[in-house]
Amino acid sequence: SQKIEQNSEALNIQEGKTATLTCNYTNYSPAYLQWYRQDPGRGPVFLLLIRENEKEKRKERLKVTFDTTLKQSLFHITASQPADSATYLCALDILFSGGYNKLIFGAGTRLAVHP
Amino acid sequence: EAGVAQSPRYKIIEKRQSVAFWCNPISGHATLYWYQQILGQGPKLLIQFQNNGVVDDSQLPKDRFSAERLKGVDSTLKIQPAKLEDSAVYLCASSLLWRKGHSDTQYFGPGTRLTVL
Repeated sequence: SQKIEQNSEALNIQEGKTATLTCNYTNYSPAYLQWYRQDPGRGPVFLLLIRENEKEKRKERLKVTFDTTLKQSLFHITASQPADSATYLCALDILFSGGYNKLIFGAGTRLAVHP
Repeated sequence: EAGVAQSPRYKIIEKRQSVAFWCNPISGHATLYWYQQILGQGPKLLIQFQNNGVVDDSQLPKDRFSAERLKGVDSTLKIQPAKLEDSAVYLCASSLLWRKGHSDTQYFGPGTRLTVL
């Protein structure tokens, strides 16, 4: 069956450390993978997109890797701050018949950064 | 630039009642999405519009859910009649373009939290 798995338990880290979140998937072949941030009571906010032929993408303190052989993406936040505390959603961008893409979201990982 | 607007923000109804949600996407965005997010889960796509045509509604429970996007701008999502398991946050999102085989950033609204008693 098709699955997307993110760390189900909250990730607690100390301010200044690097947070690493994992997204594993099975039986999908995404052309792209996106990461979103979601704060309580708000809609998800787009962070990064990585293509299947890209190994790594960076944006400021964020870094995403995409390994299509392992079927895994890692999301890193360096020099983490309490303001980075949120739920982070991994989304597979799947090409369906008819030529359109749609996002399949994981359940998300809650990150808590402590001062 | 104004974001995606949704209303109402909260709604409490009894099972078997009807409810409607409204979404105004970012101006000029061609694609509009409705997602259902159950507590503890990621958003699940219900329906996707390209302008005012439906691109995908494969996960929309069509016996009770309906959606329309008149004139390719605003959209409404209706549930009739509601069931307990419909309790969730309903998110609307929009994206600027739709090109075959290309990914696009989706911009989400704040969502409508529906509680069915």
